[in-house]
Amino acid sequence: ETGVTQSPTHLIKTRGQQVTLRCSSQSGHNTVSWYQQALGQGPQFIFQYYREEENGRGNFPPRFSGLQFPNYSSELNVNALELDDSALYLCASSAGGPYSYNEQFFGPGTRLTVL
Amino acid sequence: ILNVEQSPQSLHVQEGDSTNFTCSFPSSNFYALHWYRWETAKSPEALFVMTLNGDEKKKGRISATLNTKEGYSYLYIKGSQPEDSATYLCACHSGNTGKLIFGQGTTLQVKP
Repeated sequence: ETGVTQSPTHLIKTRGQQVTLRCSSQSGHNTVSWYQQALGQGPQFIFQYYREEENGRGNFPPRFSGLQFPNYSSELNVNALELDDSALYLCASSAGGPYSYNEQFFGPGTRLTVL
Repeated sequence: ILNVEQSPQSLHVQEGDSTNFTCSFPSSNFYALHWYRWETAKSPEALFVMTLNGDEKKKGRISATLNTKEGYSYLYIKGSQPEDSATYLCACHSGNTGKLIFGQGTTLQVKP
């Protein structure tokens, strides 16, 4: 059973650019969530996808968007990057749908640095 | 707004010591609580999912309790080992959804 994978591991961008981060869910998981972890804080919920549709969003502006594909892989897109977007981005997959309390399995994260 | 607090922020113990830390959350509208262990350069690893008041869960030397009436959960580690060094995160569900609200974590360092 393959765990959750994310790519790339590290990324450096400049302010104003756009970035796409990718996540491959654990086999059989139909729900994926994205989190942002800034230094010294716990992960902050960005949004969740289920059946290719956004199902719940945290306090993040519209320039943060996502996609979920039929194979349950997912992308996080951030437009017009700002310095404060520098953080570790985690994705987590789970089974049972968006209203279950099943454990979420996390990937290792993508470290984004915005200069 | 759901606010999840963890204490202490960091902890240094000697090998063999037992330790515990706290996760606090609003007792109203509780649905479920998760504990994760996050070692440096690895993925957060799920330890427990707890839903019922009075729940007690155990995995090896690690155990957790839940009190939903007063809004806290304790995580205990018995006989800490250097490999227990990690950040321990708790998270609660925001409403009846899959959205997790995390605390800021407790970082544990176990010295040999």
